[in-house]
Amino acid sequence: ETGVTQSPTHLIKTRGQQVTLRCSSQSGHNTVSWYQQALGQGPQFIFQYYREEENGRGNFPPRFSGLQFPNYSSELNVNALELDDSALYLCASSLGPRTGELFFGEGSRLTVL
Amino acid sequence: RKEVEQDPGPFNVPEGATVAFNCTYSNSASQSFFWYRQDCRKEPKLLMSVYSSGNEDGRFTAQLNRASQYISLLIRDSKLSDSATYLCVVRNTDKLIFGTGTRLQVFP
Repeated sequence: ETGVTQSPTHLIKTRGQQVTLRCSSQSGHNTVSWYQQALGQGPQFIFQYYREEENGRGNFPPRFSGLQFPNYSSELNVNALELDDSALYLCASSLGPRTGELFFGEGSRLTVL
Repeated sequence: RKEVEQDPGPFNVPEGATVAFNCTYSNSASQSFFWYRQDCRKEPKLLMSVYSSGNEDGRFTAQLNRASQYISLLIRDSKLSDSATYLCVVRNTDKLIFGTGTRLQVFP
């Protein structure tokens, strides 16, 4: 619906492993934001990418890293997975870094065992 | 203290009821304000922006009080389809900060 696609939709990892989540932004959008949503909580801001540069970061450790590519798609990488990393990871694209309207993908649900 | 705090919910209301959600934010330098809606197991979607003068969109009215750092959302004539989680959202520089959300359940 929004034109933002995320993959994979579900995945299971074990503690200590690494994961890469992918996001294709809506056509014409140059900004991608990543959020972590634990069960029963609101989305927590991880970071934002604007024109291939990190443009703001929330309270997440350095083992959460990302990339944005020239076509504005993006990746979220998490190293040394912990049990508390189990959550829904939402990618959102927007027309710029300061707009209020984010277009979210359906998310990638990560379970860490 | 959380940057954005909301009523804990859930709110269970009959069809046709009027329901109000409240939200407070801690950063007085916050620039703009929004309400998002999130259906069960779906992604959040923008419901409406919130302006200082207050604004309406059909059955929905949003208000902002910058002095009290308080935001509200009023839903009139609730419909079954309004059942969802309502997320209060605040912009601080380039970050959109989401509250925990308030769940609304409208029953027949």
